[in-house]
Amino acid sequence: QSVLTQPPSVSEAPRQRVTISCSGSSSNIGNNAVNWYQQLPGKAPKLLIYYDDLLPSGVSDRFSGSKSGTSASLAISGLQSEDEADYYCAAWDDSLNGYVFGTGTKVTVL
Amino acid sequence: EVQLVESGGGLVQPGGSLRLSCAASGFTFSSYAMSWVRQAPGKGLEWVSAISGSGGSTYYADSVKGRFTISRDNSKNTLYLQMNSLRAEDTAVYYCAKCSTMVAASYNWFDPWGQGTLVTVSS
Repeated sequence: QSVLTQPPSVSEAPRQRVTISCSGSSSNIGNNAVNWYQQLPGKAPKLLIYYDDLLPSGVSDRFSGSKSGTSASLAISGLQSEDEADYYCAAWDDSLNGYVFGTGTKVTVL
Repeated sequence: EVQLVESGGGLVQPGGSLRLSCAASGFTFSSYAMSWVRQAPGKGLEWVSAISGSGGSTYYADSVKGRFTISRDNSKNTLYLQMNSLRAEDTAVYYCAKCSTMVAASYNWFDPWGQGTLVTVSS
């Protein structure tokens, strides 16, 4: 049972911008860093954003992350067909003493 | 290049046991915590367990606590997950992932991930 809530799906036309929300609580997002992962169909997850808003080397700057209070967001600008994937937020949870993942969001490029 | 290669998955009966391995290369293995994450067919990601670089600290999801044991052999650059009393709901692809620090808890991200190994629990 995920403790981080994401919308099941979002869709938008190419070259547009989408945002994915991740809602948590004071024991996870509110007190710890949020990371985002991209999972392309049939592939292993890949780190997309770390420490709330930092981009790993090699990740396109069309991706950006932000956090406010107990919620975080991932934005994808200039949407491309190759961005079609599942996206997950994650954070450490102080109450559970473990990591928690979001429910996942499927991005579809129309 | 950092590489993680899982092995040991397969078909096991309910109540049975299985040991997964994750062979690491391309980095100083003992300097980083490691984690296991699983994904049931058609479902989302679920964190399973993490271990510190020294092996002295371990953490488990409530769903596997008391049944799974994470360990590592730093001399062999290998991470393990011993899974006992397996249930149908443990059926999933199991990924190992390198943590960003030596400490298993808190401010870590997982990068990279292995390709995963499938565990199927069924009679």
